[in-house]
Amino acid sequence: GNSVTQMEGPVTLSEEAFLTINCTYTATGYPSLFWYVQYPGEGLQLLLKATKADDKGSNKGFEATYRKETTSFHLEKGSVQVSDSAVYFCALSDSEDMRFGAGTRLTVKP
Amino acid sequence: DTGVSQDPRHKITKRGQNVTFRCDPISEHNRLYWYRQTLGQGPEFLTYFQNEAQLEKSRLLSDRFSAERPKGSFSTLEIQRTEQGDSAMYLCASSLGVGTGELFFGEGSRLTVL
Repeated sequence: GNSVTQMEGPVTLSEEAFLTINCTYTATGYPSLFWYVQYPGEGLQLLLKATKADDKGSNKGFEATYRKETTSFHLEKGSVQVSDSAVYFCALSDSEDMRFGAGTRLTVKP
Repeated sequence: DTGVSQDPRHKITKRGQNVTFRCDPISEHNRLYWYRQTLGQGPEFLTYFQNEAQLEKSRLLSDRFSAERPKGSFSTLEIQRTEQGDSAMYLCASSLGVGTGELFFGEGSRLTVL
């Protein structure tokens, strides 16, 4: 079945550091890929998505590229801010349901 | 507020009691999903509805769990004879269905079973 594996956290960075959170997937067919973010005390919300191979999703300075050859969708940001502290979830959808990774907690220190 | 709303936000119950959670999705969304999330884990899929039809149920959903969406609008998730292992955050999400894939989540209903 479909599944997502993302790097374990927690991740602690200093402000303005470069961020990478790895995500790989297993799927039959051609799923869409997503990154969701959960800020403290809030519900999950979509950060970015990509619907086909080689698509790049981007939002709020975050980027992720759908790599079919490596079955990956790594999240990157060039310069993190304290306000980016949250839990990040990689997810995939085959149009029926959405499956999530375990989440990676990011803490950014000033 | 036109987002997904869940009620109650917190529920503390004794083992063996029944509990029911309600979810009101975004009004024009025809798909509604239930997930369970435990500490340090991602959301685990439980079930989803397309309008009033329940299309898929996870193997995680034991016979003690039942979900309904009688008129294709709000949904309820009932847990009968609760166990301590049922303690978790129960998340509801809605979407427009096939195509966008984006789910809009509520803030969740936290269940604590004593």
